[in-house]
Amino acid sequence: AQSVTQPDIHITVSEGASLELRCNYSYGATPYLFWYVQSPGQGLQLLLKYFSGDTLVQGIKGFEAEFKRSQSSFNLRKPSVHWSDAAEYFCAVGARPPGTYKYIFGTGTRLKVLA
Amino acid sequence: ETGVTQSPTHLIKTRGQQVTLRCSSQSGHNTVSWYQQALGQGPQFIFQYYREEENGRGNFPPRFSGLQFPNYSSELNVNALELDDSALYLCASSDDYEQYFGPGTRLTVT
Repeated sequence: AQSVTQPDIHITVSEGASLELRCNYSYGATPYLFWYVQSPGQGLQLLLKYFSGDTLVQGIKGFEAEFKRSQSSFNLRKPSVHWSDAAEYFCAVGARPPGTYKYIFGTGTRLKVLA
Repeated sequence: ETGVTQSPTHLIKTRGQQVTLRCSSQSGHNTVSWYQQALGQGPQFIFQYYREEENGRGNFPPRFSGLQFPNYSSELNVNALELDDSALYLCASSDDYEQYFGPGTRLTVT
């Protein structure tokens, strides 16, 4: 079955430290992959996406992610975290046909940033 | 270009009531998907509409129903509300493999 796992429910980092949020997926074909950020009470904002090509993807707000097919992973990274990055982060897989094309989301990782 | 909009922003309903949530898709997008995001969870796929027809459904009971109109806007209807229906409901429109999400409607069932 198709699934997305975000192993870390909570992560705390100090401002200025590097960040890596883990995402593992289970999908039979090459997936479409996404990272979203959600601030409290807000909707989803797309950080970056991977459809094909270069496995290192650059996104907004200084984030990047690397698709590793051999590890079924799409981890999100940022070299230096800012206090405004505190939010919840969701990894998603776009499950292509056959069947309805829909997103399968992980359960999220809540990021806390210490001043 | 207008993005995806949803209304209302918030609403409070009583258990057993019915509710209708609305979504206006992004210009040119003929597909609308609805997701439910319970507190502390990732969004869960409810169903999708393509050119006014239901195009797939997640693991939600029949009291969750929808419509898509000729202008591709959409409604999500929930009958016989239960406390567990309290959630953020997200609408997303698409015309290919990227979905564009609206800000959501926060539904509280008391």
